[in-house]
Amino acid sequence: EAQVTQNPRYLITVTGKKLTVTCSQNMNHEYMSWYRQDPGLGLRQIYYSMNVEATDKGDVPEGYKVSRKEKRNFPLILESPSPNQTSLYFCASSPWFGGQSSYEQYFGPGTRLTVT
Amino acid sequence: DAKTTQPNSMESNEEEPVHLPCNHSTISGTDYIHWYRQLPSQGPEYVIHGLTSNVNNRMASLAIAEDRKSSTLILHRATLRDAAVYYCILRDRGTKGAGSYQLTFGKGTKLSVIP
Repeated sequence: EAQVTQNPRYLITVTGKKLTVTCSQNMNHEYMSWYRQDPGLGLRQIYYSMNVEATDKGDVPEGYKVSRKEKRNFPLILESPSPNQTSLYFCASSPWFGGQSSYEQYFGPGTRLTVT
Repeated sequence: DAKTTQPNSMESNEEEPVHLPCNHSTISGTDYIHWYRQLPSQGPEYVIHGLTSNVNNRMASLAIAEDRKSSTLILHRATLRDAAVYYCILRDRGTKGAGSYQLTFGKGTKLSVIP
């Protein structure tokens, strides 16, 4: 089954304790992205990646890191989490058609992170 | 970026058609109109997209005004499973490189389906 998976689905942590949220897709998609969703603010893009070793900042990248060493995986790293990073996080993927905008992005089930 | 305007909420009776409106008066010639929905406790999922002509797929229909300044997502027979937040999003069709892939979500329309 074609899907985007995220782990963990729920995480409660303390300020400053490094954490990684994993994202994996089995559709051989080039483009992957991370969003956060907050009440009243909608979904906002954190980082995206066009392919292996090609990442770039989205609208709200501060406090986050990403890496793309393999095509299928795009982990989100919080080196020193703070309470304002408490949010619902979604990973998404899409094929890349050499400049043509793909029709559809596939989203993972979400990771609810609480930083105390 | 061109913005969209949607009603905050709508209600429908089960098995009746639902018309979800979206205004996008500043749409540019390179913008596609996309619709996504987000069911409770799930990630967004693609519904449909179009450029100028009306579009149909297994999930819904998309009616686009002739001047492209508005569009309507049509669910032909609402079911309880269609209760979700529906997002109308403008996406560049590829002229902006990686920026064409970014989805800018607004607040969407929360659809409630009454049994």
